[in-house]
Amino acid sequence: DAKTTQPNSMESNEEEPVHLPCNHSTISGTDYIHWYRQLPSQGPEYVIHGLTSNVNNRMASLAIAEDRKSSTLILHRATLRDAAVYYCILRASNYQLIWGAGTKLIIKP
Amino acid sequence: EPEVTQTPSHQVTQMGQEVILRCVPISNHLYFYWYRQILGQKVEFLVSFYNNEISEKSEIFDDQFSVERPDGSNFTLKIRSTKLEDSAMYFCASSVKSVLTNEKLFFGSGTQLSVL
Repeated sequence: DAKTTQPNSMESNEEEPVHLPCNHSTISGTDYIHWYRQLPSQGPEYVIHGLTSNVNNRMASLAIAEDRKSSTLILHRATLRDAAVYYCILRASNYQLIWGAGTKLIIKP
Repeated sequence: EPEVTQTPSHQVTQMGQEVILRCVPISNHLYFYWYRQILGQKVEFLVSFYNNEISEKSEIFDDQFSVERPDGSNFTLKIRSTKLEDSAMYFCASSVKSVLTNEKLFFGSGTQLSVL
């Protein structure tokens, strides 16, 4: 299974940008990079996904390295409601999402 | 915004008993999934369901597990004879298209199953 590596936890101040890194050095050419987050006591929530190009949506931006061995989820202006566990997931062809341990994001007021 | 609903939110059962976890997916979604998360561990895929049949299942989804869409709205996960190690949060999810096309999944809030 394609594997991702994320820091166990990160802290950030409210209203500042947050950059959540993910390493996926064994990624293959057809693996998509997905991000989900899980707020406390809730089910996971889709954030964003991409293949090669950087992606933006209303929740976040996804910056993908040129060699695709790493990516960064960017929250442009973190709020207390963004405190969650963020999962970087590789989806290989014909495979379901394989989840890692995620990064627990702590937002300080 | 439409959401996936799961009932009950908590279920306590004795080892060896049968449990049925219920989910109402988003109404226009065609693909349905069950995931589980043991306390402090990763989210694990159990099964995907489309067109009234299982499309994919993991090694966890053995003969003790079954899924059903008994009517046009509900999607259930049955565990025939629960074991202590089945204690986990079970998440139902749905999507318009298959996740294999990178369609995003919508998750419910989960059912916490405790097997005593």
